[in-house]
Amino acid sequence: NAGVTQTPKFQVLKTGQSMTLQCAQDMNHNSMYWYRQDPGMGLRLIYYSASEGTTDKGEVPNGYNVSRLNKREFSLRLESAAPSQTSVYFCASSGTPGQKNEQFFGPGTRLTVL
Amino acid sequence: AQKITQTQPGMFVQEKEAVTLDCTYDTSDPSYGLFWYKQPSSGEMIFLIYQGSYDQQNATEGRYSLNFQKARKSANLVISASQLGDSAMYFCAMREVGLWSSASKIIFGSGTRLSIRP
Repeated sequence: NAGVTQTPKFQVLKTGQSMTLQCAQDMNHNSMYWYRQDPGMGLRLIYYSASEGTTDKGEVPNGYNVSRLNKREFSLRLESAAPSQTSVYFCASSGTPGQKNEQFFGPGTRLTVL
Repeated sequence: AQKITQTQPGMFVQEKEAVTLDCTYDTSDPSYGLFWYKQPSSGEMIFLIYQGSYDQQNATEGRYSLNFQKARKSANLVISASQLGDSAMYFCAMREVGLWSSASKIIFGSGTRLSIRP
């Protein structure tokens, strides 16, 4: 099992460009998440999807959109990148609400916006 | 509103000593779960330990234990006999698992950087 995979691992964008970060999990988890981690900071939740077909805003959703394409895949889109979106982006997945299943994290995408 | 607070930005501990990392939380939901994660300098997130709000006993996983004080809303991580490899960022996190919600949002604290001295 690959666990949670993210592509790309690194990306440099110019201000105003758009891009989509891809995430996939092969653990048959219901819930998936996107976080950002700024240097020296904790993880802040951008969006999450409790189950296939649903998405909800987290703590810092502005400037982002998400798509839960199917149970396996959850993508994050930046429509018009800004320097403030320079960060490391983590995707995570977990099992069923009410259970103790921990989140499994992908390796992260390091994004720089110039 | 759901909130996690870690008040120790950084800590230095001598090798082989025990260390306690503080975490307090705030939630109005009676059913929730608390997690601790380790993030070494390589950047990956490593799950350490979990405590459910209705669990009767404090969770333990090897050298890690969770000192859960529900009335004080605290969930401190205790690492016994610290090792050089324990040097990392440590994050406390919480999931609300409300009866009427299918959402399983998990939020994180700001973290504590632990440095182990030889």
